[in-house]
Amino acid sequence: SAVISQKPSRDICQRGTSLTIQCQVDSQVTMMFWYRQQPGQSLTLIATANQGSEATYESGFVIDKFPISRPNLTFSTLTVSNMSPEDSSIYLCSVGVTQGGNEQYFGPGTRLTVT
Amino acid sequence: EDKVVQSPLSLVVHEGDTVTLNCSYEVTNFRSLLWYKQEKKAPTFLFMLTSSGIEKKSGRLSSILDKKELFSILNITATQTGDSAIYLCAVKNSGNTPLVFGKGTRLSVIA
Repeated sequence: SAVISQKPSRDICQRGTSLTIQCQVDSQVTMMFWYRQQPGQSLTLIATANQGSEATYESGFVIDKFPISRPNLTFSTLTVSNMSPEDSSIYLCSVGVTQGGNEQYFGPGTRLTVT
Repeated sequence: EDKVVQSPLSLVVHEGDTVTLNCSYEVTNFRSLLWYKQEKKAPTFLFMLTSSGIEKKSGRLSSILDKKELFSILNITATQTGDSAIYLCAVKNSGNTPLVFGKGTRLSVIA
């Protein structure tokens, strides 16, 4: 498995502002993913964070709104830009720890509330 | 498109009951099926299943996969209030792709 930490664990932000969430892993991992979980919903994949290249975004998510960095194999950031109340959600970092990412583990999550 | 369907969506049982959660899937180039328990924020890993008919067991929880019928079940025996959570099923296909999640089953165990 992998030990994954996320910062901040929670935040309350005003609309129109931006928040950057950090994800740190205790070992080098090939695959890192960012998910969102809106209240009462299941997990929705935002993007795959690629080391050394641009993230791969899922349908409905764009780089201008959710810029992602992956400077190395142990760290990634997700920024939620120009926030609105609809962005209130839990944001989760996830890593694949075996070849092909067969086992996937989650960070503790960031609970974001936008007022 | 890969798809995971879980049932029931929610379930309320009394302590001591046994529950069975269902997960059916459609995925190209199936590699594995995973079960997670989500209590507050982060899902915690329970089981990974890759072969049909081999039961994985951890305490009161067990799970089995049927690759012919494309489903898996998660059993919890002698339920406790601490089992109350959302249980998520996810599938993985081959390659460097992320998991595809079902909507989850919300289990509530009442004393």
